[in-house]
Amino acid sequence: RKEVEQDPGPFNVPEGATVAFNCTYSNSASQSFFWYRQDCRKEPKLLMSVYSSGNEDGRFTAQLNRASQYISLLIRDSKLSDSATYLCVVTPYSNSGYALNFGKGTSLLVTP
Amino acid sequence: SQTIHQWPATLVQPVGSPLSLECTVEGTSNPNLYWYRQAAGRGLQLLFYSVGIGQISSEVPQNLSASRPQDRQFILSSKKLLLSDSGFYLCAWKGGSYNEQFFGPGTRLTVL
Repeated sequence: RKEVEQDPGPFNVPEGATVAFNCTYSNSASQSFFWYRQDCRKEPKLLMSVYSSGNEDGRFTAQLNRASQYISLLIRDSKLSDSATYLCVVTPYSNSGYALNFGKGTSLLVTP
Repeated sequence: SQTIHQWPATLVQPVGSPLSLECTVEGTSNPNLYWYRQAAGRGLQLLFYSVGIGQISSEVPQNLSASRPQDRQFILSSKKLLLSDSGFYLCAWKGGSYNEQFFGPGTRLTVL
């Protein structure tokens, strides 16, 4: 079983739509959770950290369910510029210096 | 503010040739540093991490090696490249209180 699993998509949505991405992780001892955004042929960039109580940053809302080992990202009022691959990322508690475990990403295309 | 640099940006090398990729970080001291690889159609894979000068941990067996000769310098090397070494190589440093990592612009390596 993969440590971090995501629906690869692609998700094709019109501008203004609301879209949700889901992610599951296998290591129940995981400590930190993130969503990164990666544009084509670019480095991943931190979109937001995911806290136990859930958190919101503008149009983006992230939720964490530790019991179900599930993370979500909600994007409201989608913009063309939101088109990218969204990576679910988990840091396990281990000796590996808090290295990140990445999902393969979910591709989003926002169309006019 | 902190910045992370990688060079070269792109590289085309023949099979069997050596490799040296460099990563430097500015604006922070004693950072945890990481090398990841993203192969075509695959997620990011941790290759090496370092918690200090001369301290290198390897996550996967391979023909690559890493060194940290200075506090803010991290080098990825190979004596003889394989076709399977092609990919997008990303250096990252750990910052923030929640174990966030921030990536350099990456080196795109093609082995022919």
